[in-house]
Amino acid sequence: EDKVVQSPLSLVVHEGDTVTLNCSYEVTNFRSLLWYKQEKKAPTFLFMLTSSGIEKKSGRLSSILDKKELFSILNITATQTGDSAIYLCAGGGGSQGNLIFGKGTKLSVKP
Amino acid sequence: NAGVTQTPKFQVLKTGQSMTLQCAQDMNHEYMSWYRQDPGMGLRLIHYSVGAGITDQGEVPNGYNVSRSTTEDFPLRLLSAAPSQTSVYFCASSYQAGAYNEQFFGPGTRLTVL
Repeated sequence: EDKVVQSPLSLVVHEGDTVTLNCSYEVTNFRSLLWYKQEKKAPTFLFMLTSSGIEKKSGRLSSILDKKELFSILNITATQTGDSAIYLCAGGGGSQGNLIFGKGTKLSVKP
Repeated sequence: NAGVTQTPKFQVLKTGQSMTLQCAQDMNHEYMSWYRQDPGMGLRLIHYSVGAGITDQGEVPNGYNVSRSTTEDFPLRLLSAAPSQTSVYFCASSYQAGAYNEQFFGPGTRLTVL
C-alpha cells in the first residue's frame, strides 16, 4: 500500500530558528514529491521535486529529494511567525499520477 | 480569474440526507479532484477526473458520487450522509494530475453530519 510519512507531526520553535521537516514515501510508479503549505484555509504549492539530489529553493525555504533512500526534507531558515502553518508532503505516482498525502507537520513559530 | 470556487462554505446535515458540494474552476484545467481532510489525517483523495466525461475513484470513494459534464464543473454528491463524513472537503484542479504539476485548491467546505 502506498504511504507517505511525515515527521515530526508538530514542532514549536522561536523566531530565527532553523527547522527541518522530514518526509518518507513508498509510492508505486513514483513520479514526484510535492510540498504544500496550509495556513487556515486551502493548501498552497511550495515545491515539486522529481530529480534526486537537486535542491529547490525559494527565499528561506529549500527542499531536496533522495530517491535512493525514498525521502525528502524541507528546510526553513530564520523562521518567522508567518511560517506557522501545516506543511504537507505528497508523493505523486500510481497509474494516474494522483497524490498520496502525509498527515502533515504542524509548525508553530513563537515570537 | 476566480481560480477554484466551492460552495457552500459550511453545511450541517442530518444523517441520511443527501447534498451536492459544488466546485468550479475557470483555468481550463483538465484534471480535477476532491479530497477530504480530517484532523491529523492529511488529505485523502475521494474521486478525480482527467477530463470532461471521465471520472474515477480515489482512496476513499464510498458514499460519494461525482460527475464531470463540463471542463469547469466537478460536483461531489453525498448520497446518504453519515456522521463519518463530517470533514473538510477540498476541490482542486491542475493541467494534469497532481504528480506532474501544481494543484490549485478551493477554499474548502466544512461539513458536519449530525
